[in-house]
Amino acid sequence: GNSVTQMEGPVTLSEEAFLTINCTYTATGYPSLFWYVQYPGEGLQLLLKATKADDKGSNKGFEATYRKETTSFHLEKGSVQVSDSAVYFCALSDLMKAAGNKLTFGGGTRVLVKP
Amino acid sequence: DSGVTQTPKHLITATGQRVTLRCSPRSGDLSVYWYQQSLDQGLQFLIQYYNGEERAKGNILERFSAQQFPDLHSELNLSSLELGDSALYFCASSASIGGRSQNEQFFGPGTRLTVL
Repeated sequence: GNSVTQMEGPVTLSEEAFLTINCTYTATGYPSLFWYVQYPGEGLQLLLKATKADDKGSNKGFEATYRKETTSFHLEKGSVQVSDSAVYFCALSDLMKAAGNKLTFGGGTRVLVKP
Repeated sequence: DSGVTQTPKHLITATGQRVTLRCSPRSGDLSVYWYQQSLDQGLQFLIQYYNGEERAKGNILERFSAQQFPDLHSELNLSSLELGDSALYFCASSASIGGRSQNEQFFGPGTRLTVL
C-alpha cells in the first residue's frame, strides 16, 4: 500500500534560518504530492502541491520538488519566521478512481522557530 | 477559511455513548472525506463519499458509520464510544474524485471529541 515517511521533530530553529523537512513516499500508482500545515489549534491548510515528476510546488516562500527517481518531496524554506511555527504534514493522493483519492499522510513534523 | 464547516467544534461525552459529527463541504464540492487525528495513530483516512455514495473506506471501525445527504452535507456517526476514540475528526472536500487538477482537498477546522 501507499505510505509516507517524514522526518520526526521537533525541529527547533532560529528566525531567518534555513528549514528542510524530508519526506519520502511509497506508492503503487503515480500520485500527487502535498504539504499541509497545521497551526496551533487549527485545521489543516494546503501549503503546496505537485502533480507530476519534476514539478515544483511553491507558496509563502516554501518550496518542494517532486522527485520520482528518489521518491521524495522535501520541503524547504530559505528564511523562516516565528509565524512558521506549526506542524507540517507530507501527503500523497493516489488517483486510482476505484480507490477515490484519499490522502495518505506522514506522521507530521513539528517546527518551532525562536526569535 | 477553507469553506468547509464542521459542527460541533468540541464534544465531550462518556464511554458507551453515541455522537454525530456534521460536515458541510465547500460550495460545489461533491466529494467528502473524513479523517481522524490522534496522538498514537496520526492522521488516518476513515471514509469518502462522492455525490451521496460511499467511494472508499479506510481504517474505519465497525462502530463508526457515515453518510452523505442529497444536499451534500455529511455526518459521521460514532457509537459505543471508547476512551481510545478521543481524537480530532476532520472533514475535507474536493470538487471531484479524479484528475490531477481536481483532487485538492480542503479541510474543515475539525471536531475535537473527548470520551471520558
